This record gives sequence, structure tokens and C-alpha cells, in this order.
Amino acid sequence: ETGVTQSPTHLIKTRGQQVTLRCSSQSGHNTVSWYQQALGQGPQFIFQYYREEENGRGNFPPRFSGLQFPNYSSELNVNALELDDSALYLCASSLDRSSYNSPLHFGNGTRLTVT
Amino acid sequence: ILNVEQSPQSLHVQEGDSTNFTCSFPSSNFYALHWYRWETAKSPEALFVMTLNGDEKKKGRISATLNTKEGYSYLYIKGSQPEDSATYLCAPHYGQNFVFGPGTRLSVLP
Repeated sequence: ETGVTQSPTHLIKTRGQQVTLRCSSQSGHNTVSWYQQALGQGPQFIFQYYREEENGRGNFPPRFSGLQFPNYSSELNVNALELDDSALYLCASSLDRSSYNSPLHFGNGTRLTVT
Repeated sequence: ILNVEQSPQSLHVQEGDSTNFTCSFPSSNFYALHWYRWETAKSPEALFVMTLNGDEKKKGRISATLNTKEGYSYLYIKGSQPEDSATYLCAPHYGQNFVFGPGTRLSVLP
């Protein structure tokens, strides 16, 4: 059973640039959620993808966008980077979009620094 | 905006001590509550999935209770060990997504 993998592990970008983060979900999982964890806070929900469609979104601006591919892997894209986007970005896969009774399986995260 | 609180923010205990921490959350319209353990340089791992049908879970020295009416959950660790050192996150689910608390950082000193 393959776990959730994220790439890259670390990234440094300049304000105004664009970034793409990648996530491979655990085998058998068709739902991927993305979270942003800023320093001193808990992970905040960005959005969820289920079978290649966005299935819920948190309080993040449209410059945060995503994709899910037929193999259920996913990308998080952030345009026009701001300093406040510096955070750890976590990807989590789950069995189904409504599986609040099943645990989330997290990757190790991508640490993004915007200078 | 739903506010999930955890207390204390951090604590240090001696090996062998028992400890507990709290998660409080809005009690209306929530579906389930998860506890995750997050060790440094690793990914968060699920400890407990607590549903509306059950109010207590146990795994070895760690247990959790859930009060669905008043909106709080306690996590207990009996006889803490250094390997219990981690950040413990709670996350209630409100029908669309989980809302994570800020976590309690536990350090167990040998």
C-alpha cells in the first residue's frame, strides 16, 4: 500500500511568482484535500477534489486553484504569491468525499517560503 | 467561521506522568471528530475517529472521550513516554470539511 507523497519538500519563491505543489494519494483513495498550516495555527482547509472535480472550498482566494487527475493525484497552484502564503501545505487523501468516519491520510507536506 | 480551540497550547510532563488535554468546538451540525498525532518531521497520523454514535475510544495508553451536546473532547495519556512527544490535533467535521484546532504540543521528558 503506497502512502501519500508530496513534492517538493521545500520551495522558495519570490512575491508575485506562481507555484505548483504535487500530491499522490494513497492507493484506493479517490478524494484529496489540501490544507495550509501557518506558523502557530492548525491546518486550514483550502479545497477538496473528488473524482477530478472541486468538491468544497475553504476561505481562500481564487488565486489558489487545483486539479485532480484520473489516477487521483492532485496539484495545488498558487498564483501571484504573497508573503503571507509562506506556510506548510499538507495534502490528505481519504476513501470518499463524505468519509468523515474514515481517517485522513496525510503527506509530509511542502514547506513554501515566499520572499 | 467555526472556531475550534485546544488547551493547553503546550505542556511538558515527566516520563510516567498521566496527562490530558481539551478540544472544544461548536456542537451544532457536526458529524464526527478526529484526533491526530503529529510528530516532528513526520505527517499527521490518525489516533481516533469519534462518531456521534460513540463517545469513548481507547488505544493502549491513550483514550479519548467526546461530549456531543456541549462540544468538547478530552484526550488522555496514561503513563506518558518520550515517544508520546508530539503535537495533538483535533478536527471536528461539519458536513463538508474538517476544521482543525491549533493543537497541543506535548513534550515528555525522560
